[in-house]
Amino acid sequence: AQSVTQLDSQVPVFEEAPVELRCNYSSSVSVYLFWYVQYPNQGLQLLLKYLSGSTLVKGINGFEAEFNKSQTSFHLRKPSVHISDTAEYFCAVSAITGTYKYIFGTGTRLKVLA
Amino acid sequence: SAVISQKPSRDICQRGTSLTIQCQVDSQVTMMFWYRQQPGQSLTLIATANQGSEATYESGFVIDKFPISRPNLTFSTLTVSNMSPEDSSIYLCSVPSGMGLRELFFGEGSRLTVL
Repeated sequence: AQSVTQLDSQVPVFEEAPVELRCNYSSSVSVYLFWYVQYPNQGLQLLLKYLSGSTLVKGINGFEAEFNKSQTSFHLRKPSVHISDTAEYFCAVSAITGTYKYIFGTGTRLKVLA
Repeated sequence: SAVISQKPSRDICQRGTSLTIQCQVDSQVTMMFWYRQQPGQSLTLIATANQGSEATYESGFVIDKFPISRPNLTFSTLTVSNMSPEDSSIYLCSVPSGMGLRELFFGEGSRLTVL
């Protein structure tokens, strides 16, 4: 079984400042890792994913994340945020083998302040 | 990628009634997933809708409460039956796509409020 922990429920940050949203996971099997963003009143949109290869993955809107297997983490970063980045961010894992079932974290609400 | 359309986008319902949510995908897909997102919470998988067979429900969800239809490879419906205020949630349809079918694409969601 897998579980995902997003340690910060809310992260306020000033515009143009850097931000890191933390995600740790637990799994007895190898997993794929994902970050999704949910803007107000919308569905979820894939930001980036780690399937294999380089542990530093780049996604849309200037976001990137680094997979750290030893620390079972997949933290999301952006060097300079914009007001438009205000949204809910979800980390998710899916076992490499077996079903396509995703396990989502509880989400981090990023609020970018002017 | 897959484009997913959900109807209705939102609705306000009375206690004890039922509502059917529709999900239309722009391409044929083997699996479709239905998730629930309760206010301020994360996503919980309700069931997997498989074409040509009964849906597979997750622990805590039953067919009598959430009947699902999957008449073809591009369409599915989820019914929320005998609703109570606790059913007030966003219901999301999703399909696997992308490399190795390991990316989930989501519809815009159906926001239900039960009075």
